[in-house]
Amino acid sequence: EDKVVQSPLSLVVHEGDTVTLNCSYEVTNFRSLLWYKQEKKAPTFLFMLTSSGIEKKSGRLSSILDKKELSSILNITATQTGDSAIYLCAVVETSGSRLTFGEGTQLTVNP
Amino acid sequence: GAGVSQSPRYKVAKRGRDVALRCDSISGHVTLYWYRQTLGQGSEVLTYSQSDAQRDKSGRPSGRFSAERPERSVSTLKIQRTEQGDSAVYLCASSLGQVGVEGAGANVLTFGAGSRLTVL
Repeated sequence: EDKVVQSPLSLVVHEGDTVTLNCSYEVTNFRSLLWYKQEKKAPTFLFMLTSSGIEKKSGRLSSILDKKELSSILNITATQTGDSAIYLCAVVETSGSRLTFGEGTQLTVNP
Repeated sequence: GAGVSQSPRYKVAKRGRDVALRCDSISGHVTLYWYRQTLGQGSEVLTYSQSDAQRDKSGRPSGRFSAERPERSVSTLKIQRTEQGDSAVYLCASSLGQVGVEGAGANVLTFGAGSRLTVL
């Protein structure tokens, strides 16, 4: 069965800190890995990664995929209280019919 | 509207009863997922349908979950014989194309706000 594991499950930091969130997966036919940010409402899309070693960047957030290690990291630099959320990782298999989510990492950024 | 909407936002059901949750996705979106979030178990995909497939029975964790799609932009998640463990937030998400394909346009998921189900 496909499996996606995120770590840590919970993280508390101070504003200005840099954080690294991890996502590892065991998927039979990997297509892509997606990162989402979920605050009070629905998850919002952050990144989609399909190729190994290519960093995707958006402001203070960046992410990279390592297909050899079957993992991805999400980096957030100079964290702000508005970054407090659950960060979800999801893996899509090749037919697109199966989307497996990790449990999420609850990030809390204190002022 | 511009987003994915779900109804009802809150539902309380007695154990053993059947429940139906509705999702109005974005016009033109092809792929539609239902998934649920629970504390401790994270998120799991329940069903998936694409294009004109009206019924997808790939339910998890068991065949009690099924989705019907009478119109392309409308889906109903049906949960039969609800159990207390079904208490969760049920989220619907749709995509213009196939999820996870580079260069396929708006291929990422747009989520609804969810329906919170409580089974007593």
